[in-house]
Amino acid sequence: AQRVTQPEKLLSVFKGAPVELKCNYSYSGSPELFWYVQYSRQRLQLLLRHISRESIKGFTADLNKGETSFHLKKPFAQEEDSAMYYCALKWAGKLIFGQGTELSVKP
Amino acid sequence: GAVVSQHPSWVICKSGTSVKIECRSLDFQATTMFWYRQFPKQSLMLMATSNEGSKATYEQGVEKDKFLINHASLTLSTLTVTSAHPEDSSFYICSARPPASNSEQFFGPGTRLTVL
Repeated sequence: AQRVTQPEKLLSVFKGAPVELKCNYSYSGSPELFWYVQYSRQRLQLLLRHISRESIKGFTADLNKGETSFHLKKPFAQEEDSAMYYCALKWAGKLIFGQGTELSVKP
Repeated sequence: GAVVSQHPSWVICKSGTSVKIECRSLDFQATTMFWYRQFPKQSLMLMATSNEGSKATYEQGVEKDKFLINHASLTLSTLTVTSAHPEDSSFYICSARPPASNSEQFFGPGTRLTVL
């Protein structure tokens, strides 16, 4: 069955430190993966999608089919990056979300 | 960017009553809308997919008679929680997708439902 796993519920780092939010998926086909971000009291918004290979707000994510992973990375975390981050897999026109990781960036 | 609104943003109701939540795409037509349920700091659980002019497709384990979905126009979908109980208290989020097959979903701000 299709599944998205984010093993870390909470990730706490200091400002300026590198950050990596993990995402693993299970899907037998060619995956279409996304990262969404939800800032406090705001709606969910798309951060990036793997097919466009873009970098948004300094975040990047590389699809690793061998490891079935799509980890989100940023070399230098900022306090404004504190938010909930969700990895999602598109399947049958729907999005399957991971459990989410709360990123806390401390000054 | 595309904007999706939800109304109300929060609602408190008594157990046994029904509550209707509206989801509107403000500046685009949405042939497909989705309804999710989210618990605090947890994942979004897809409840159903709503297609304009046809019956909604419910995910496994979601009671269609309890969560009535209507997608009567290309800009409006409604979710009615019938005979609400305290365990239905949650954050309900809708999203809308423009017609292009590879288009992204745009999310509403959510509706906080509290059933007393």
